[in-house]
Formats: sequence, structure tokens, C-alpha cells
Amino acid sequence: AQSVTQLDSHVSVSEGTPVLLRCNYSSSYSPSLFWYVQHPNKGLQLLLKYTSAATLVKGINGFEAEFKKSETSFHLTKPSAHMSDAAEYFCVVSDRNQAGTALIFGKGTTLSVSS
Amino acid sequence: ETGVTQSPTHLIKTRGQQVTLRCSSQSGHNTVSWYQQALGQGPQFIFQYYREEENGRGNFPPRFSGLQFPNYSSELNVNALELDDSALYLCASSLAGVYTGELFFGEGSRLTVL
Repeated sequence: AQSVTQLDSHVSVSEGTPVLLRCNYSSSYSPSLFWYVQHPNKGLQLLLKYTSAATLVKGINGFEAEFKKSETSFHLTKPSAHMSDAAEYFCVVSDRNQAGTALIFGKGTTLSVSS
Repeated sequence: ETGVTQSPTHLIKTRGQQVTLRCSSQSGHNTVSWYQQALGQGPQFIFQYYREEENGRGNFPPRFSGLQFPNYSSELNVNALELDDSALYLCASSLAGVYTGELFFGEGSRLTVL
């Protein structure tokens, strides 16, 4: 069975400093992994996805993530945080046991950015 | 391009009642999924509809049911409401046969059960 574990429930950074949100995965197959972001009162939005191509994946708004099979990790990073990055971030794995596209979400990491 | 829209945005029900939530999929999308997001948790997959039939279901009891209409819009019905059903219900649309893992989510319907 597939699952993801987000290692931090809350991360606080200052504007202009790097962001690291950690995620470990468990999968019986070569996984498809994603990061989604949820801003207050907004719908979930895809940040980036890994589907067995390049291990370093670039997404929107300057975010990127690196797939490390040896560490079963898919951490999300950004070199310089912006106030607008404050949101809830979810690490997600695709459930291949389901017909269609069923996503398994982690519990989320709240990112706070201070000025 | 019209995004995913959900209604109502907020509603309050009492235990034992029934509720219907509605979703219009993004233009051109023929698949609709529903997720439940409890407070402080990640969304959990309820079920998915394609060609007006359920084609995948998560670990939810039968009192959670759905419909998809010929125009690809969808309803989520929950019978015999329980306090634990209080959550944000998210609808997401996608295009079957084009697997990118990207779902387009609406802003959700927040259900409170008293």
C-alpha cells in the first residue's frame, strides 16, 4: 500500500530564507509523487509532480523537489521564501490500486513566513 | 476556461439528516472525484465517477453515495449524518485517459453536523 508521511506539521521561516518541507513515502511500486498547496479559502493547487522521469522536479513559484529512492524521500524546497508562500502544503502519492486517479494525501505542513 | 465550482459553500445539519453537495467540473473534464478533509488533516479519497459510474472508492461507508450527470457535473450524498462527518468536502475534476496526476479542485463545501 502507498502512503506518505510529512515529518513536520508546522515550519516557520523568515522572508528571503530557504524553505524545506520534508516528506517520506512508502510504495510497493515506483511511485508517482506530488506536492499540492492549499491557500486559505482557496482550492488545492498542484505545485509539482514526479512520475519517474528526472529526479529533480521543478514546479511553480520557484519550488522544486528531489526524488531520492534510497532515502524514500521527496522533500520540497525553495531558495527564498516569500510572504505569499504562507499556506498548507501536502505531499501526495498516487494510489495505483484504485481505478482512476485516487490520491493519498499526507497530513500537511503549515508554512508560516514572517517579515 | 471555467474552473471547478461547488455549492453550497457552507451548511449546517443535525445528526441523522441527509445532505447533498454539488459540483460542476472544469470545462472539458469528464471525471469527478470527491474528497473529505477533516480539520487539520489531509484530504481523504471518497470516490470517483467516470461515464456516470463509480470507478473507484475509498474507505467510506455506503451512506456516502454519488451521482454523475451527462454534463459531467456530480453530486455527493451523505445519509444518516454523524458528528464525524463534519469536514470540508472537496470536488476535483480531471480528464480520463490523460494521466498526469493533476486534479483540479474546487474550494469545497464546509459541512458542520450538530
